[in-house]
Amino acid sequence: IAGITQAPTSQILAAGRHMTLRCTQDMRHNAMYWYRQDLGLGLRLIHYSNTAGTTGKGEVPDGYSVSRANTDDFPLTLASAVPSQTSVYFCATRPPQKVSYNSPLHFGNGTRLTVT
Amino acid sequence: AQSVTQPDIHITVSEGASLELRCNYSYGATPYLFWYVQSPGQGLQLLLKYFSGDTLVQGIKGFEAEFKRSQSSFNLRKPSVHWSDAAEYFCAVVPTSGTYKYIFGTGTRLKVLA
Repeated sequence: IAGITQAPTSQILAAGRHMTLRCTQDMRHNAMYWYRQDLGLGLRLIHYSNTAGTTGKGEVPDGYSVSRANTDDFPLTLASAVPSQTSVYFCATRPPQKVSYNSPLHFGNGTRLTVT
Repeated sequence: AQSVTQPDIHITVSEGASLELRCNYSYGATPYLFWYVQSPGQGLQLLLKYFSGDTLVQGIKGFEAEFKRSQSSFNLRKPSVHWSDAAEYFCAVVPTSGTYKYIFGTGTRLKVLA
């Protein structure tokens, strides 16, 4: 089934530990995004990648890093987790269209991360 | 700065009643506008979108939204709500120039009473 796979579904992590959230898509979408969702704050963009080999910072990039070695994978890394990074993380992709910035986003089912 | 406001954090309606969820945006021109729905434990799903043309757009699941330029609004409506519509709803805008960055509202959580 085509779509976006995020792993793990949920995770409890001790502060100071390293963690990588995985995102894989099989739709060959060029653009990929990482959002965090927090109560009362909606979705905030962490990092994005318009195409393989390129990445950019979003609204709340501090404490996170990403890489985009190929089209399908866009992992999000927390080098040293802190409690304020407790959140639900969503990976999203955007299909290429002629006027690409009005394309809708496709979302994964999210990773619920708790940092203690 | 560009922003999206969803003034209602929670809305409760009875099944069969009509629904309107409000969305206002702040942007110098007309952006591209979207409504997404999020069921518990799921990612966001696109309901409908507005780019240009007819200001009343139809979406999936019987939803519609009307763009009003004079009010900078893009309110979501449904004539008769079903229990399965209980979810969280997000309005989003994409500026028509610059970066490809979506701006989301903070969401409205809909509860449906049987």
